[in-house]
Formats: sequence, C-alpha cells, structure tokens
Amino acid sequence: AQSVAQPEDQVNVAEGNPLTVKCTYSVSGNPYLFWYVQYPNRGLQFLLKYITGDNLVKGSYGFEAEFNKSQTSFHLKKPSALVSDSALYFCAVRDASGGSYIPTFGRGTSLIVHP
Amino acid sequence: DAGVIQSPRHEVTEMGQEVTLRCKPISGHDYLFWYRQTMMRGLELLIYFNNNVPIDDSGMPEDRFSAKMPNASFSTLKIQPSEPRDSAVYFCASSFGLAGGSQETQYFGPGTRLLVL
Repeated sequence: AQSVAQPEDQVNVAEGNPLTVKCTYSVSGNPYLFWYVQYPNRGLQFLLKYITGDNLVKGSYGFEAEFNKSQTSFHLKKPSALVSDSALYFCAVRDASGGSYIPTFGRGTSLIVHP
Repeated sequence: DAGVIQSPRHEVTEMGQEVTLRCKPISGHDYLFWYRQTMMRGLELLIYFNNNVPIDDSGMPEDRFSAKMPNASFSTLKIQPSEPRDSAVYFCASSFGLAGGSQETQYFGPGTRLLVL
C-alpha cells in the first residue's frame, strides 16, 4: 500500500523568508515522489519529482525538495518566498516496486505568503 | 499543444438532471484520469484509462457516475441523475506512460466547476 501525509493544512510565511511545506510517505518499496501546485481556479501543475539519483531535486519557480529515505520525507522548500507563491501544494507518491501504478495525492497544504 | 482541454468550465444544474463533462487529453498521451476535488474530501481519483480502456474505476462513487473514452482524443464523465452532493470541481489529467522518468508527470486540465442545486 502507498500513502502520503501533509501534516499542515496551512503554512504562513512572510515574503522573503524561507518556506517549507512538509510531506511524509509510506510505500512498500522505493518511492516515486512528486510535488504539484494549484493556483486559484486552475488545475494542478507539476513542480518537481524524485525518481532516483540526487536527494535534492530542483524544480520550477525556484522550488526544491529533499528526499530523506530514513525519515520517509520529501519536504518542499524555497529559500525566499514570494507573494505569488501563495497557492495549494500537493505531494504525491507512487510505489515504484509495483502494486498501484497510479500516484496517491495528499490532501494539500495551503501556502500563504504575506507581503 | 494546448494542454488538456475540459468543457464546460462551469456548470449549474438542478438535482435530477444529467450532467456530461468532457475532456480532450494532450495528443500522444496514453493515460487519462478523472479526479474530483472538494473541500471535505480533497482530491479523489475517480477512474483512469490506458489506451482508451478503463483500468480502475474503484473511485467512482456510485452507479450514477459513468465514464467513457471512445477514442484517444476524447473522454466523458457523466452523472445521471445528479445530486447536490456531486457539487465539486472535476479535473481531467493525462500522462504518457508510467515507466518512471519523464513519463510519470500528469498534466491537469483547468477543471469543470459543477454546482447541483
């Protein structure tokens, strides 16, 4: 079975400060991990993913995420937040070892960046 | 490419009426997904197709919901009869393959906002 948890419904950060959106996962084998962003009244957009290789993954709009196998986490980070980063962020996981070939999405974390 | 296209963008209907949502996936993509998003339940996978064949419809809430994909460029999600609790945003997404690497990314349409009165 595969599952993903986003422990925070909402994250508030001031513009210019670093931001972190948390994600933890559970899979039987190795994970494929994804982050998507949803702006108001829009569909989800792909940000970045970890399949294999370097634990630090760089994605769109200056975002990055760090895969930590021992902590089963894949937190999304950005060194300096922008007001325009305010959106809903989804983490997703797929067990690369088989079972479901479809990723499971978390419930989403609302990021609010204050001017 | 124009991306995943969904129509209509907004739909308001009365309870008991039939609702049909439409999706055109990205050309060349062989997987198509239908999702429903609500505040209460978050993002739910309803059904997905591979090469126009439904693979897993376990997320379809009940028999009132049905989905078809008559060809590689078109899919429909139908609700008959509709109920107020069906009010949600319905997303269609497509992807190319599931082999890992670049193929695993799903591309989402803008969604259809459905309100059933």
